[in-house]
Amino acid sequence: GAVVSQHPSWVICKSGTSVKIECRSLDFQATTMFWYRQFPKQSLMLMATSNEGSKATYEQGVEKDKFLINHASLTLSTLTVTSAHPEDSSFYICSANKAGRTTNTGELFFGEGSRLTVL
Amino acid sequence: SQKIEQNSEALNIQEGKTATLTCNYTNYSPAYLQWYRQDPGRGPVFLLLIRENEKEKRKERLKVTFDTTLKQSLFHITASQPADSATYLCALDVGSQGNLIFGKGTKLSVKP
Repeated sequence: GAVVSQHPSWVICKSGTSVKIECRSLDFQATTMFWYRQFPKQSLMLMATSNEGSKATYEQGVEKDKFLINHASLTLSTLTVTSAHPEDSSFYICSANKAGRTTNTGELFFGEGSRLTVL
Repeated sequence: SQKIEQNSEALNIQEGKTATLTCNYTNYSPAYLQWYRQDPGRGPVFLLLIRENEKEKRKERLKVTFDTTLKQSLFHITASQPADSATYLCALDVGSQGNLIFGKGTKLSVKP
């Protein structure tokens, strides 16, 4: 099956610093990638939709200047949490569907997630 | 706005029994509904997708039903095993690009 890799799997940083999380599709091309955030015992919340070569579309309530998304190639999207604060501590998960296909299957391939802890 | 609910936060069953999980949604008519499995500290893994014109879909010990009138999906695991213990998430498509909204999940525990 399709593989999506995230890095790092966990990161601890000081308040005020920036953290970059990478999401790669290893064996397929992804024109669209999605970034989710999950707090303990909560559902996955969509943060933004990342489109290769264009600006990301952010969900309501998600600060685009704080969560910078770059999708420079068909296999890589990055999420940068700028000036991180303790309330940004969460589990960040990326996902992708395959390029060149319609969404009639709809299956998303998820990365393993990145646990961010801001001290 | 769309709302999706999984009515049980946790479900405990005995090995060998059938687990039945429920997903209800409101304010939306999805083209399809999906079920994922999530283990602690891991990303979700796709299990099954069922379309609006399908009543039932099966995959090995898994069965999903979709009632668009009731706005409900049921997810069954037959002959459950301890290895089936995980959180199961249902998800609806909400955009043309394939973005999904997820329920909070039901944590299934299968006791030997």
